[in-house]
Amino acid sequence: GAGVSQTPSNKVTEKGKYVELRCDPISGHTALYWYRQSLGQGPEFLIYFQGTGAADDSGLPNDRFFAVRPEGSVSTLKIQRTERGDSAVYLCASSFRDSNTDTQYFGPGTRLTVL
Amino acid sequence: QQQVKQSPQSLIVQKGGISIINCAYENTAFDYFPWYQQFPGKGPALLIAIRPDVSEKKEGRFTISFNKSAKQFSLHIMDSQPGDSATYFCAASSGGTSYGKLTFGQGTILTVHP
Repeated sequence: GAGVSQTPSNKVTEKGKYVELRCDPISGHTALYWYRQSLGQGPEFLIYFQGTGAADDSGLPNDRFFAVRPEGSVSTLKIQRTERGDSAVYLCASSFRDSNTDTQYFGPGTRLTVL
Repeated sequence: QQQVKQSPQSLIVQKGGISIINCAYENTAFDYFPWYQQFPGKGPALLIAIRPDVSEKKEGRFTISFNKSAKQFSLHIMDSQPGDSATYFCAASSGGTSYGKLTFGQGTILTVHP
């Protein structure tokens, strides 16, 4: 079956612009996670959804970052007033449940470059 | 605060050799320890995982060793193959209110020479 898909695969923007990154989870997965991976580092947690609600957004770095999952499936990560330090690969993952032992399946990521 | 420390940063082994990657954690609430494998341009993929109620788990050529008292765990890759060349991440999570939020190590770039 189809895995987690993310669009676009690459996004280049200018400092101060607004961007949206999309994640399509595996069908039937109720839990959805966003992580950010800087070059040479491990992924860092941003936000987690169970269904439509954000259950834990403790990893969002500041209020320029926001994410939604209005129908409990597709999620969009939104970044306002982008800064050069936001450049990274943004990874989305989904799992069947929100149990911590359920496997998280990752998408290929969106590489964001802020010039 | 870095909660999961991984070493070495890079590792070179010959085909057929054993690759060993180590991780140490600080948060005693962690109760699930997966290892992920990541190829360039791809997202991480689960390789093998362990719960702290066992000291070792083996799946094919991959083994996790877990030392709860030392708060350390390691990945052993037996008979390493060139196709194993990738970046490996250890991770940890806890149940309760943290659900599946994963805390990752910094990663180890493994190169297996033919």
